[in-house]
Amino acid sequence: GNSVTQMEGPVTLSEEAFLTINCTYTATGYPSLFWYVQYPGEGLQLLLKATKADDKGSNKGFEATYRKETTSFHLEKGSVQVSDSAVYFCALSDQTGANNLFFGTGTRLTVIP
Amino acid sequence: EAGVAQSPRYKIIEKRQSVAFWCNPISGHATLYWYQQILGQGPKLLIQFQNNGVVDDSQLPKDRFSAERLKGVDSTLKIQPAKLEDSAMYLCASSRTGDDRRFGQGTRLTVV
Repeated sequence: GNSVTQMEGPVTLSEEAFLTINCTYTATGYPSLFWYVQYPGEGLQLLLKATKADDKGSNKGFEATYRKETTSFHLEKGSVQVSDSAVYFCALSDQTGANNLFFGTGTRLTVIP
Repeated sequence: EAGVAQSPRYKIIEKRQSVAFWCNPISGHATLYWYQQILGQGPKLLIQFQNNGVVDDSQLPKDRFSAERLKGVDSTLKIQPAKLEDSAMYLCASSRTGDDRRFGQGTRLTVV
């Protein structure tokens, strides 16, 4: 079946620190992979995506590379800001007719000044 | 482009009462989704519409939850009667191609 496993949180970092949030997946076929971000009290916003192996998604200084050999899609940012404090969700889309989206449990990031 | 609109933003009801949530998707998005997000968990798909028709409602508790999408645009999700475990954020999303899914701000439901 399809599933996503995310690094347990919460994660607390100082401003300008390096961020890694681990994500691994199990899927049948060739899924698309996503990172969504949820700010307090808000819905989900798409942060970045990758649709095939070795693709790198990037946005707002965040990056993630689709690694088929390790079934991973780890999120990284070189220098976090206080405004990056949010919950981050890794997700996969199974690319079937229904195109279902399967989410991980989320990782809460807090960045302190 | 206007985003996905949801209302209300917050709702508090007593158990066994009924509640309805409304969603207006992005113009031109044929696919509409309702997700339930329990605190501390990732969103779980409840139902997916393609225009007027239901594509997937396998995770919808049909004894108490219902949803409709009249005229292939707006959608309403109803819970009747509500249980304590229905307390969650209810997210509506819409898409044209699937990978372009956009989410609304959600409705936070508290059942007391």
